Amino acid sequence: AQSVAQPEDQVNVAEGNPLTVKCTYSVSGNPYLFWYVQYPNRGLQFLLKYITGDNLVKGSYGFEAEFNKSQTSFHLKKPSALVSDSALYFCAVRISGAGSYQLTFGKGTKLSVIP
Amino acid sequence: DAGITQSPRHKVTETGTPVTLRCHQTENHRYMYWYRQDPGHGLRLIHYSYGVKDTDKGEVSDGYSVSRSKTEDFLLTLESATSSQTSVYFCAISESWGDHSNQPQHFGDGTRLSIL
Repeated sequence: AQSVAQPEDQVNVAEGNPLTVKCTYSVSGNPYLFWYVQYPNRGLQFLLKYITGDNLVKGSYGFEAEFNKSQTSFHLKKPSALVSDSALYFCAVRISGAGSYQLTFGKGTKLSVIP
Repeated sequence: DAGITQSPRHKVTETGTPVTLRCHQTENHRYMYWYRQDPGHGLRLIHYSYGVKDTDKGEVSDGYSVSRSKTEDFLLTLESATSSQTSVYFCAISESWGDHSNQPQHFGDGTRLSIL
């Protein structure tokens, strides 16, 4: 079984400040981890993924995420938030391997960047 | 944006009627997925396809069926719609080269379905 927890339903941050959106996961096996963003009335857009190697992953729009195996976390970060970053963010996990089809999503975190 | 078109974008129907949603892709990707999105639940997998005529169930498949007769089209059918199936439905696709499980999924813009 695999699961993802996003402990915060909403995160508020002032424009220009650093932002963090938290994600923890549970999986039996090696995880592949993903972050997606969703704007109103749109589908999810892929931001970044962790497969293996460097624990700091860089993605689109200046976002990055840090994989921490001991804490089973994959937090999304950005050094300086923009108002346009306001959206719904989803973390997702998948077990590595050719037989793995299930991508499990967290419940989402609404990010509001305040001007 | 990945070439994924979902139709219709909005639909209102009555309990007990059959409903079919269509997902069309122009990327020639092997894998296609149907999800539903509900507040407080994130996205949940309904069914997926790993090739033409090759489909399997996801975690919330009861009351749904799928078909894939061509690479580019993946249909989701609600056999007899119920109010609990009111939701936003998303189609996604992903590539198959290498370890497909590390390929990101790309999503359509969804179908908002209301069952009265």
